[in-house]
Amino acid sequence: AQSVTQPDIHITVSEGASLELRCNYSYGATPYLFWYVQSPGQGLQLLLKYFSGDTLVQGIKGFEAEFKRSQSSFNLRKPSVHWSDAAEYFCAVVNRDDKIIFGKGTRLHILP
Amino acid sequence: NAGVTQTPKFQVLKTGQSMTLQCAQDMNHNSMYWYRQDPGMGLRLIYYSASEGTTDKGEVPNGYNVSRLNKREFSLRLESAAPSQTSVYFCASSVRRASADTQYFGPGTRLTVL
Repeated sequence: AQSVTQPDIHITVSEGASLELRCNYSYGATPYLFWYVQSPGQGLQLLLKYFSGDTLVQGIKGFEAEFKRSQSSFNLRKPSVHWSDAAEYFCAVVNRDDKIIFGKGTRLHILP
Repeated sequence: NAGVTQTPKFQVLKTGQSMTLQCAQDMNHNSMYWYRQDPGMGLRLIYYSASEGTTDKGEVPNGYNVSRLNKREFSLRLESAAPSQTSVYFCASSVRRASADTQYFGPGTRLTVL
């Protein structure tokens, strides 16, 4: 069955430092992949998505993600984080039944 | 545009009580979804409606019913609430059903069942 794994439950980085959040998926064909962000007390918002083509995807708020088929990964990156980036981040994949499967999330903490 | 709205924001129920969570979207989207979010579990799909007049089960449908009242509104009903249904519930919508489309989420309803 298709699945998404986010290995890190919590990540803490200093403001201004670079960020990489990991996501691994299990899917036979070329997947549809997403990163969503959830700020405290809010619903989810789409950061970026990958369907095909260029494996480096640009999103909102300065985020990017790279699809690596050989590693079954779709890691999210940002070169310099801001305090407002503190949130929970969810990776997601669409399965064969055309349903979106979310990972369990990574909570990002920012140190001043 | 309000986007996706949900009512109520908070609710406390006793075991066995019933209630309906309301969701409405003003983006003229065809597809709507109900998720629950539990700590350490991510989001899990309860039910979805690919288009007006259709509903389908998701990953965790037991104990819930849904109604797609019209294109704008998609309600979730708990007929006999149980403590295991304590969760945060999110409604979402998209132009088309899943795969290619961005889902837009409401702010959530925090439900506690005592």
